[in-house]
Amino acid sequence: AQSVTQLDSHVSVSEGTPVLLRCNYSSSYSPSLFWYVQHPNKGLQLLLKYTSAATLVKGINGFEAEFKKSETSFHLTKPSAHMSDAAEYFCVVSETGRRALTFGSGTRLQVQP
Amino acid sequence: SQTIHQWPATLVQPVGSPLSLECTVEGTSNPNLYWYRQAAGRGLQLLFYSVGIGQISSEVPQNLSASRPQDRQFILSSKKLLLSDSGFYLCAWSVGRVDTGELFFGEGSRLTVL
Repeated sequence: AQSVTQLDSHVSVSEGTPVLLRCNYSSSYSPSLFWYVQHPNKGLQLLLKYTSAATLVKGINGFEAEFKKSETSFHLTKPSAHMSDAAEYFCVVSETGRRALTFGSGTRLQVQP
Repeated sequence: SQTIHQWPATLVQPVGSPLSLECTVEGTSNPNLYWYRQAAGRGLQLLFYSVGIGQISSEVPQNLSASRPQDRQFILSSKKLLLSDSGFYLCAWSVGRVDTGELFFGEGSRLTVL
């Protein structure tokens, strides 16, 4: 069985400071891992994905995430937050061959001016 | 380029009334189609997925049903809405396997059942 835990429901940072959104996963097999972003009342957009290639994955808008198998983590980071980064972020896990993705409960990122 | 349209964007319905949410995809053929529900403060729950016309798989037993009458059309329905059906419904599509690819989401339909 697969599951994903987003450790923080809300994160608040100041503009220009680093962002860290934490995600731990559980999977019986080699997982694929994703981060999606959702702006208010909008659909979700893929930020980045890990599918067993390089463990450090770069995504859009300056975000990146590192797959750490020993820690079963896939934390999302950005060196410098921008006001436009304020949104909800979802960590997602999938096992090979499964049709269903398992979404975390989300982390709401606030960016203060 | 591919686009996905979902409507209506907002819907307020009384308990016991029927529901129809529609989703269409443009610019691609034979997509995999999905309906997700997002309850307030929660992640997304997969309700239905379809790999082809008339082929529907249900992930969670519930008061809702889905149909795919055309290749790029996916409809979410209910005969009698319950209060617990309130939520944000998202249609999505993918090309091929979702575990290695990308899901493309519509703008969502917010349903309030009173």
